[in-house]
Amino acid sequence: ETGVTQTPRHLVMGMTNKKSLKCEQHLGHNAMYWYKQSAKKPLELMFVYNFKEQTENNSVPSRFSPECPNSSHLFLHLHTLQPEDSALYLCASSPTPGTYGYTFGSGTRLTVV
Amino acid sequence: AQSVTQLGSHVSVSEGALVLLRCNYSSSVPPYLFWYVQYPNQGLQLLLKYTTGATLVKGINGFEAEFKKSETSFHLTKPSAHMSDAAEYFCAVTGANSKLTFGKGITLSVRP
Repeated sequence: ETGVTQTPRHLVMGMTNKKSLKCEQHLGHNAMYWYKQSAKKPLELMFVYNFKEQTENNSVPSRFSPECPNSSHLFLHLHTLQPEDSALYLCASSPTPGTYGYTFGSGTRLTVV
Repeated sequence: AQSVTQLGSHVSVSEGALVLLRCNYSSSVPPYLFWYVQYPNQGLQLLLKYTTGATLVKGINGFEAEFKKSETSFHLTKPSAHMSDAAEYFCAVTGANSKLTFGKGITLSVRP
């Protein structure tokens, strides 16, 4: 248990489905992140939130919609995904953006069929 | 701006042998440096970090790394590899108030 909890651990969804990934931390951190990790590719930073405000969106397609209702929770809403979106989605948090390193969750393994 | 270079994609060592994973960085500000380990189907776990002070830092599981400013390096070492060390390792760099930048990672295999 790292202090960052992601649910579900595994998700299989069809291209027309709508699903959500959840991330929760009770470390008192103010910054939260979504990363995409695909096979044989570097970690891709998707979104950054600081004090619930989105501070970075790295040209992520609109079929991925993040939500940060408070500093402890982060969601990634998924809609009409493509098979190439299949990947491990990692959530992380840190006291502030950068500087102290991140604490990662165990990830959600997403398969789009 | 920061960047990290991890040359190669795979390192294989025998059990009991020295582990050396290389990391070079570039940074326009004093860097903070990190090594993370990822086991299959898991998130990234912090192994060790350098922020300020002593340039040789010790981490979990017997790993250590040395910050060498003149060489812009932060190589990860372990004197004696164990089978349980087989995983993917990521080097990362950040500066004050900037986000973490990761290298592409390197897979460590340990042969019996």
